[in-house]
Formats: sequence, C-alpha cells, structure tokens
Amino acid sequence: KNEVEQSPQNLTAQEGEFITINCSYSVGISALHWLQQHPGGGIVSLFMLSSGKKKHGRLIATINIQEKHSSLHITASHPRDSAVYICAVRARDDKIIFGKGTRLHILP
Amino acid sequence: DAEITQSPRHKITETGRQVTLACHQTWNHNNMFWYRQDLGHGLRLIHYSYGVQDTNKGEVSDGYSVSRSNTEDLPLTLESAASSQTSVYFCASSKTSGIWSGELFFGEGSRLTVL
Repeated sequence: KNEVEQSPQNLTAQEGEFITINCSYSVGISALHWLQQHPGGGIVSLFMLSSGKKKHGRLIATINIQEKHSSLHITASHPRDSAVYICAVRARDDKIIFGKGTRLHILP
Repeated sequence: DAEITQSPRHKITETGRQVTLACHQTWNHNNMFWYRQDLGHGLRLIHYSYGVQDTNKGEVSDGYSVSRSNTEDLPLTLESAASSQTSVYFCASSKTSGIWSGELFFGEGSRLTVL
C-alpha cells in the first residue's frame, strides 16, 4: 500500500464546476504539500500546510491531522486549471513522499 | 530572483555512457533532492542532501550517484546509463529553518532518453 494515496486518479469536469481532490496518508508528517504540474511543464508548489486551511485565489487546501487526510478544492474551475495535482507529505525525517497525482481536465 | 535550474533540459545518450545532470539553486537552501518521474509511479526519490558533504540514498538510488561540494549544486551522475533510466528527472530544494522553511522549489526537469 502506498503511503500517500490520492483520489480520484483522473477527473474531467465542466468549466465552472467545484473540484475536490483528496489525499490520504499513513505516516507521521510535519507538513503536507499540494503541487501542480502542467503538461510538459515543471512542478509548482501551491500550498504547504500543517494544520487547518489555506486559500489562494480560487484554490483552497485543508488538512485534518487526526484523520490523516487533506483536500484540494478549486472553485469556479477553468480550462487553465487542467493539470496534474500532486499531494506530497514531509515525513518526520524530512523526506518527501509523493502521491501519484490526479490528472484534472476542465472542459470549456 | 532566486531560482533553481537544471541542465541539460533534454539529453539523448547511449547505453553504457556516463551522464551527468546538473542542478543549481541560488536560494542558499540546505536541502536538495533528485527525483525521477515515470508513468504510473509518480515522483520517486533518487538521492538527497541536507548540506555540504552530506548525501543520502533514496528509494531508487541504484545506478546513480551525487556529490555536494557546495550549497548551490547537486549534480546527478549515471555511471553507466541503462534504458531503464529513461525518465524525466526533477531537482528540488528547500530551506530547513526560518520563514518559508519546508517550502519546496522544483527545477523545470531534465528529460533523459537512453537508447
């Protein structure tokens, strides 16, 4: 079993829809990262959080430490949001463990 | 602006050749990491370093080596390239303390093809 599991693996939605991507992990962590990777592109850090909730524009990330679960929400989704979203956790020894990513496709 | 750069961005080589991928960061970060990204596997850790002269093996380190002679650079060397090492390689760095500690910064990736 992977230490970081994301769901869904693939998601197609219409422009304007509210999007939720989930991440569950099984190890003790000091922080959780949400990353974005556009096709053929580099990887950009969206959020780093260790508790509660963070918001940046139309993106919201939440984490529940007790349940070892995090969600990334996108409000009013747009075709430019189409990308792979990756959840990564920072373990206690500072190693980063990555999920396999969620491929999001927003249709115009 | 501070940044992290990888070179080359694309490389084609032959089986058995030695290849070195460069990673250079100007944030003065202590932590540096090398990952490979393959379909169905996500990002997997090859080697990492927590500071000058410190290097550690990750989960897929066989066939790779790194050295850390200064803070800015962590070159990744494939001693004898194999077709199984065809992949996209990402370098990343992070700070260990203070404001923004833990924030991850990635290079743009190096696509390596081993024929």
